[in-house]
Amino acid sequence: AQSVTQPDIHITVSEGASLELRCNYSYGATPYLFWYVQSPGQGLQLLLKYFSGDTLVQGIKGFEAEFKRSQSSFNLRKPSVHWSDAAEYFCAVGPTAGGTSYGKLTFGQGTILTVHP
Amino acid sequence: DADVTQTPRNRITKTGKRIMLECSQTKGHDRMYWYRQDPGLGLRLIYYSFDVKDINKGEISDGYSVSRQAQAKFSLSLESAIPNQTALYFCATSDPGTGGRETQYFGPGTRLLVL
Repeated sequence: AQSVTQPDIHITVSEGASLELRCNYSYGATPYLFWYVQSPGQGLQLLLKYFSGDTLVQGIKGFEAEFKRSQSSFNLRKPSVHWSDAAEYFCAVGPTAGGTSYGKLTFGQGTILTVHP
Repeated sequence: DADVTQTPRNRITKTGKRIMLECSQTKGHDRMYWYRQDPGLGLRLIYYSFDVKDINKGEISDGYSVSRQAQAKFSLSLESAIPNQTALYFCATSDPGTGGRETQYFGPGTRLLVL
């Protein structure tokens, strides 16, 4: 069964500092990976996704993530955090071709990001 | 206008009441999903539908039912609400893409409180 772990429940950074949110997955094949962001009172917005190819993926709002197969990780990064980045971030694993492709996303527990001025 | 809409956005109900949460989408996707979000647990799949005639249970379907009225509409019902169904509920839609490269798009959520 697929699973996703986000080891950090809550992270606090200062505005302008760099950010890295960790995501580790367990999956029996090459995974499809996603990062979503949930701003307070809002729905989930897709930040970026990885299907194949270049392991460094660029997303919206200046975010990027790197797929590392050897570490089963898909960490999200941003070089300089803005106050508006304060939100909850979710990593998710999706089904891949050849698997039971019924569209089930498995989500991590989420990481809450607080940004100090 | 938003591609995926959910109504109501907030709802308070009492134990034992039947309630329905509605989801509509204008993205033209065949696949639709219902998730619930609980603090510290991420999102968990309740039901999913690949087309109007195809409905499937997710990992936590007990106490819930769904109706796919049209390609664009997917409703979630709580037949007899209980307090542990208090949660944030999300609808999502997706296009299966090629080679299984599916991306899901989420609505704004419905916050439900069962007293």
